[in-house]
Amino acid sequence: GEDVEQSLFLSVREGDSSVINCTYTDSSSTYLYWYKQEPGAGLQLLTYIFSNMDMKQDQRLTVLLNKKDKHLSLRIADTQTGDSAIYFCAEVDSGGYQKVTFGIGTKLQVIP
Amino acid sequence: NAGVMQNPRHLVRRRGQEARLRCSPMKGHSHVYWYRQLPEEGLKFMVYLQKENIIDESGMPKERFSAEFPKEGPSILRIQQVVRGDSAAYFCASTSRGAAHPRETQYFGPGTRLLVL
Repeated sequence: GEDVEQSLFLSVREGDSSVINCTYTDSSSTYLYWYKQEPGAGLQLLTYIFSNMDMKQDQRLTVLLNKKDKHLSLRIADTQTGDSAIYFCAEVDSGGYQKVTFGIGTKLQVIP
Repeated sequence: NAGVMQNPRHLVRRRGQEARLRCSPMKGHSHVYWYRQLPEEGLKFMVYLQKENIIDESGMPKERFSAEFPKEGPSILRIQQVVRGDSAAYFCASTSRGAAHPRETQYFGPGTRLLVL
């Protein structure tokens, strides 16, 4: 079955770059997503990448995909205190409808 | 255009009681997904419904849990005879279609936090 793994915790200083890593197992994944969850809130889609791409940039966010190693990363440039949240990596089963498998989430702590 | 709405936001139940969680999808969305987030864990898929149909319930516990999405009204996740292990955040998401495409990205509600005493 599908499995998505992430490290649990990352701490960075305000203004530095954050890199959150994720590995997945389903080689037939069509899309890979990054979601953000702030305390007490639902999930907010940050960005996504097609499996046939290797990089996507969206303002301060850069997503890198290494399909051979099944490794996905999210880089946040100039990290701000408002970026403190839990970040979930997720993959979509390509078998039809949107069955999404989430990682456990990486808690990002930004130190002022 | 209101987003996905869930109520109640917080629900406290004693062991053995029933819990009913409601989800109103975004306007125009007819596909609903339920997820459970246990403490310190990621979201786990539970069930996928279209109006009046359960499409995939492979993530639902076999007993005590049921879901419906009637023609009119919200989707309901029902947990009978709750136990402490049911304490979790339950999230609902919706799409306009079920296709796996970023344009059909799931929009999440704020969740219902269930606490079983």
